[in-house]
Amino acid sequence: QKEVEQNSGPLSVPEGAIASLNCTYSDRVSQSFFWYRQYSGKSPELIMSIYSNGDKEDGGFTAQLNKASQYVSLLIRDSQPSDSATYLCAVVDSNYQLIWGAGTKLIIKP
Amino acid sequence: KAGVTQTPRYLIKTRGQQVTLSCSPISGHRSVSWYQQTPGQGLQFLFEYFSETQRNKGNFPGRFSGRQFSNSRSEMNVSTLELGDSALYLCASSYGTSGSRSRREQFFGPGTRLTVL
Repeated sequence: QKEVEQNSGPLSVPEGAIASLNCTYSDRVSQSFFWYRQYSGKSPELIMSIYSNGDKEDGGFTAQLNKASQYVSLLIRDSQPSDSATYLCAVVDSNYQLIWGAGTKLIIKP
Repeated sequence: KAGVTQTPRYLIKTRGQQVTLSCSPISGHRSVSWYQQTPGQGLQFLFEYFSETQRNKGNFPGRFSGRQFSNSRSEMNVSTLELGDSALYLCASSYGTSGSRSRREQFFGPGTRLTVL
C-alpha cells in the first residue's frame, strides 16, 4: 500500500516566523510532488509543484525535495494569519496515480 | 481560462434517494477525478476518468458510480443515499493520466456540499 504521511497538527507558528511542513512517501519511484492549501470549507488550491531534488521558491513558499530520503517539505516564510489553513501533500506514484496525505493544519498566531 | 465548475453547489436529500453531481473540467483537460471529504478528514479518492474510461477507482461501495462524456464533462451518481454520505464532493481536472510530470497537476472545483437527512 503506497502511502503519503503528514503530521496532522495542528502546527502553531507565530506571525512572521517560518512555518515548516513535512511529508514522507513510500513509493521510491515517485517523480511528481504537489502541495495544496485548503481553507476551511473551501476546495484545495495548488500552490507548489516540484519534480527535482533541491529547493524551489515561488511566492513566499519554498518546496524542498529529497528523493533519497523520500520526503518533501514546504516552508512558508514570513507567515501571516492568512496562511492559516490545512496543507495537503500529494505524490504521483509509479502508476501515475495521485496519492494524498491527510493534511497538516497550520495555525499562524498574531 | 475558466476553472473547474461543479453543479449544484449545495444539495439536501433524504435517505434512500439518489443524487447526480456534475463537473466541467478546465478547457483542454481530459482527466477528471472525484473525491469525498468529510469534516476533519482528508481527501478520499472515489474514481478517475480519462477519455470516457474509468482509469482508477477508490474503495467505495458500488452505490457510487460515475461517467465521463466526450466533451470531458463528468457526472457522479450516488444511489440509495445513507446519512454517512453527507460530505463535500470535490471534482478535480488535469491534462492527463500519464506522460510529462506536469500533466498530473490537479485543479479543483468549488465542490458540492451534500447533506443527507
